[in-house]
Amino acid sequence: NAGVTQTPKFQVLKTGQSMTLQCAQDMNHEYMSWYRQDPGMGLRLIHYSVGAGITDQGEVPNGYNVSRSTTEDFPLRLLSAAPSQTSVYFCASSYGHYNEQFFGPGTRLTVL
Amino acid sequence: GIQVEQSPPDLILQEGANSTLRCNFSDSVNNLQWFHQNPWGQLINLFYIPSGTKQNGRLSATTVATERYSLLYISSSQTTDSGVYFCAVDNTGTASKLTFGTGTRLQVTL
Repeated sequence: NAGVTQTPKFQVLKTGQSMTLQCAQDMNHEYMSWYRQDPGMGLRLIHYSVGAGITDQGEVPNGYNVSRSTTEDFPLRLLSAAPSQTSVYFCASSYGHYNEQFFGPGTRLTVL
Repeated sequence: GIQVEQSPPDLILQEGANSTLRCNFSDSVNNLQWFHQNPWGQLINLFYIPSGTKQNGRLSATTVATERYSLLYISSSQTTDSGVYFCAVDNTGTASKLTFGTGTRLQVTL
């Protein structure tokens, strides 16, 4: 199993550009999440999904969209990038309510 | 929402020393996990422990849910234990919605 994979590893955008961060898992996990990590802080939840076709907002959803058309994939879209979105983005998945979360390697995004 | 506090914020140990990291949370939880973020940024799940005690090699964890805290013990520390340790909790019954503490940064020196 590859586990949770994320692409790209690094990305530089200009203000106003859009892009999609990819996340995929091959563990047949129903639950998937996106977090952002800013310097000196813990992770904050952006959006999450409890199954294909079901998504909901987390703590910091503004400026981001998600969709979940398959169990395996959970892309995160930045509609119009802003410098405040400079961060490291982590995707995670888990089997169910009461199971451990597994994290991808992260995407380091810089918005100029 | 639920608040998570971790202490100490920073810790420097010599190799071979033992340490205890603490996580306090403001409400009852049904999911608590400990993670290690290594110096390369990778987050590794150490324990899923909403209550009770677990051990895995030199690491062990105890959660006292009624008193709203969890402890992570590291024994005989090694330089590879360096990094940031996060506690994360959920009280909504949705495993995807973890709330993270700000972490304990551990440096293990020779």
